[in-house]
Amino acid sequence: EAAVTQSPRNKVTVTGGNVTLSCRQTNSHNYMYWYRQDTGHGLRLIHYSYGAGNLQIGDVPDGYKATRTTQEDFFLLLELASPSQTSLYFCASSDPLGVNTGQLYFGEGSKLTVL
Amino acid sequence: GDSVTQTEGLVTLTEGLPVMLNCTYQSTYSPFLFWYVQHLNEAPKLLLKSFTDNKRPEHQGFHATLHKSSSSFHLQKSSAQLSDSALYYCALNEKITFGAGTKLTIKP
Repeated sequence: EAAVTQSPRNKVTVTGGNVTLSCRQTNSHNYMYWYRQDTGHGLRLIHYSYGAGNLQIGDVPDGYKATRTTQEDFFLLLELASPSQTSLYFCASSDPLGVNTGQLYFGEGSKLTVL
Repeated sequence: GDSVTQTEGLVTLTEGLPVMLNCTYQSTYSPFLFWYVQHLNEAPKLLLKSFTDNKRPEHQGFHATLHKSSSSFHLQKSSAQLSDSALYYCALNEKITFGAGTKLTIKP
């Protein structure tokens, strides 16, 4: 079974704080994605990557950085967190065919609260 | 740019009645469309994927047909079940762009 693991699952920080969300996949997939999920907006793509060292900008990248250190690991960085970044964050992975098959494997989500 | 529109944010139905959730899209290319389902406190999972040859995909009683003439991929089921209560997303395969989602609630 494909596996995507996110950490932390819950995080509370203050405005201006520094947060790193981690994602590890054991699927041997090339593609990895970071989404945020907000009521009324659905799932919005923040950043994605085609492989180690590669980074692509998604639809809502402002205020976020990302880094893909290995094929397995994809990190989302919030260097100056703001309350507008309070959200549920999902990481996902797919193989290159995933953009046509729709088969994304999602992690369980990381709930971030910025006070 | 590419986009997906789901017009209903909330849909409430009585068990046994038919379900139809709307999805329209804009795409520069000839796209693949998907439906995802997300149950409470779970991650989204792929429910259906469009075919290129007018076949109608079906899964768990749900089906959807891609109509390129109207840029639509509506999700349908003939008889709703209580277990169908969930959040449903339509998505487009360009960067896997998701719609805003439709929360479906089925009542006894």
